[in-house]
Amino acid sequence: EAGVAQSPRYKIIEKRQSVAFWCNPISGHATLYWYQQILGQGPKLLIQFQNNGVVDDSQLPKDRFSAERLKGVDSTLKIQPAKLEDSAVYLCASSTRDSGNTIYFGEGSWLTVV
Amino acid sequence: AQSVSQHNHHVILSEAASLELGCNYSYGGTVNLFWYVQYPGQHLQLLLKYFSGDPLVKGIKGFEAEFIKSKFSFNLRKPSVQWSDTAEYFCAVTNSGYSTLTFGKGTMLLVSP
Repeated sequence: EAGVAQSPRYKIIEKRQSVAFWCNPISGHATLYWYQQILGQGPKLLIQFQNNGVVDDSQLPKDRFSAERLKGVDSTLKIQPAKLEDSAVYLCASSTRDSGNTIYFGEGSWLTVV
Repeated sequence: AQSVSQHNHHVILSEAASLELGCNYSYGGTVNLFWYVQYPGQHLQLLLKYFSGDPLVKGIKGFEAEFIKSKFSFNLRKPSVQWSDTAEYFCAVTNSGYSTLTFGKGTMLLVSP
């Protein structure tokens, strides 16, 4: 079974620039998550989708972060404009009721803002 | 809001030593509990999980964890660690029926050969 795919794996941008990350969840997984993991901390949920609807985006900084999952499969997370404190690993994950709601993570997209 | 506390940020052990990593959570209702591991340069992988039933859960690579409801704890154990267990370990909790995970800050385990 293919895992959660993310791209790009690494990105370096200057502050105030924009960046977009892409995620393809495990086939058939209705729930998709974006987490932010800052160095030395545990992952923090940014947004959760159920199919193409948003379930929880309470911790998403909506002034600069946006995410969409238009067809209920792939998802894109965008940051515009980026700040230095956005330097982190952005993890995409997916789950399904059939897997007991166990969440499976991708390898992450490492963002450095300089 | 739910919170997860991991007692140690860094642990250093010699090979063959026993391991116990502490994890406490704040939510008082029914919970699902997880331990994830992140090896250097790799993605988060599920080590073990507890949903219900026997509170002693066995996972991959010889790890186990015990759910003690009265103590709001889910400590991870391994009788004899190996150098290859060097990794960061994350405890995570979700409210039963609501699948969003809340993670602890992680424990970095370094096993010296």
